Amino acid sequence: NAGVTQTPKFQVLKTGQSMTLQCAQDMNHEYMSWYRQDPGMGLRLIHYSVGAGITDQGEVPNGYNVSRSTTEDFPLRLLSAAPSQTSVYFCASSYLTSGRGNEQFFGPGTRLTVL
Amino acid sequence: SQQGEEDPQALSIQEGENATMNCSYKTSINNLQWYRQNSGRGLVHLILIRSNEREKHSGRLRVTLDTSKKSSSLLITASRAADTASYFCAMLEIKAAGNKLTFGGGTRVLVKP
Repeated sequence: NAGVTQTPKFQVLKTGQSMTLQCAQDMNHEYMSWYRQDPGMGLRLIHYSVGAGITDQGEVPNGYNVSRSTTEDFPLRLLSAAPSQTSVYFCASSYLTSGRGNEQFFGPGTRLTVL
Repeated sequence: SQQGEEDPQALSIQEGENATMNCSYKTSINNLQWYRQNSGRGLVHLILIRSNEREKHSGRLRVTLDTSKKSSSLLITASRAADTASYFCAMLEIKAAGNKLTFGGGTRVLVKP
């Protein structure tokens, strides 16, 4: 199993550009989510999904879009990048039901800089 | 504001000592999880405690949960230099749209050899 994979590892954007951060998992997890982590801080939930075709907003959704067309993939789109979106982005996945464990498996992160 | 807050924000101890960190949260939860993050890396799951449990052990880790006070603690016994990392609590809520996991701000632990 590859686990949770994220691409790219690093990205530099100019203000106003758009891009998509990719996330994929091969563990057949129902639950997938995106977090951002700013220096010296914890993770803040951007968007999450409990299955294909179902997404919901987290704590800091503004400026980001998601879709979940398959169980495996959960891309995060930045519509018009702003310097405030400079951060490290983590994708995570888990089983949905507590009986199978809800521990999250994290990807290695994407370090995004917006100039 | 975040669902969870951790205390202390930073902790420095000598190898062999115990490290204790606390997490407080705001809403009802299904379970609470602790994660570890080494510098520049992703998070790794350590231990999960369900809302109907009060204490759980895993190796040198001991977690407690007090749902009446909406708080949890993580104890690392006999710490090692390799335990140096940031530790985060995460709260799982069951919502109409599905489960939602939110994190506290983390405790940075430095274990000096």
